Amino acid sequence: QKEVEQNSGPLSVPEGAIASLNCTYSDRGSQSFFWYRQYSGKSPELIMSIYSNGDKEDGRFTAQLNKASQYVSLLIRDSQPSDSATYLCAVNMSQNSGGYQKVTFGTGTKLQVIP
Amino acid sequence: DGGITQSPKYLFRKEGQNVTLSCEQNLNHDAMYWYRQDPGQGLRLIYYSQIVNDFQKGDIAEGYSVSREKKESFPLTVTSAQKNPTAFYLCASRASGGNEQFFGPGTRLTVL
Repeated sequence: QKEVEQNSGPLSVPEGAIASLNCTYSDRGSQSFFWYRQYSGKSPELIMSIYSNGDKEDGRFTAQLNKASQYVSLLIRDSQPSDSATYLCAVNMSQNSGGYQKVTFGTGTKLQVIP
Repeated sequence: DGGITQSPKYLFRKEGQNVTLSCEQNLNHDAMYWYRQDPGQGLRLIYYSQIVNDFQKGDIAEGYSVSREKKESFPLTVTSAQKNPTAFYLCASRASGGNEQFFGPGTRLTVL
């Protein structure tokens, strides 16, 4: 089982629709969760972080966390063609004895917003 | 402007050569990281450093070396021992006490 799993897509949604991106993780002790957006040929850009169960909203983006189900999702409302990118889920696994915070990345979901 | 810079943007290497990728940050972040990204794969951690003069191997350190002589700089050397070095290399940094990692623009290395 992969530590952080995402559907590779592509996920195609029409412009103006809600895009729903999902991620599951294996370490039940994980504390921090992140969503990065990566345009083709570019580096990842942090768009959301979430630490506690429930929803966190920032503009058109909503991150949802359910630690009991080991599931985190990203909703993009009113999707725009400029949202077309690969979205990486990242999970900060439990700290080891050295205090190092290991962040494990999923392989990403490619989102295509169709005009 | 505060940020993370990586150079060069593109790098071509002949087999058997060592090359060094630069990563500099002026964010006053303590922790710095090197990742490698291959098509269809997630980011894989090569090396990380939490403080100056200290660094640790990540999941795929073989064939790579780093140094951390200054807080602002964390160069990565890809040695000839790395058998498949063609990849997109990403440097990231994190503030002490923070959780989020922020990435530089990346260096795309191609072995000819």
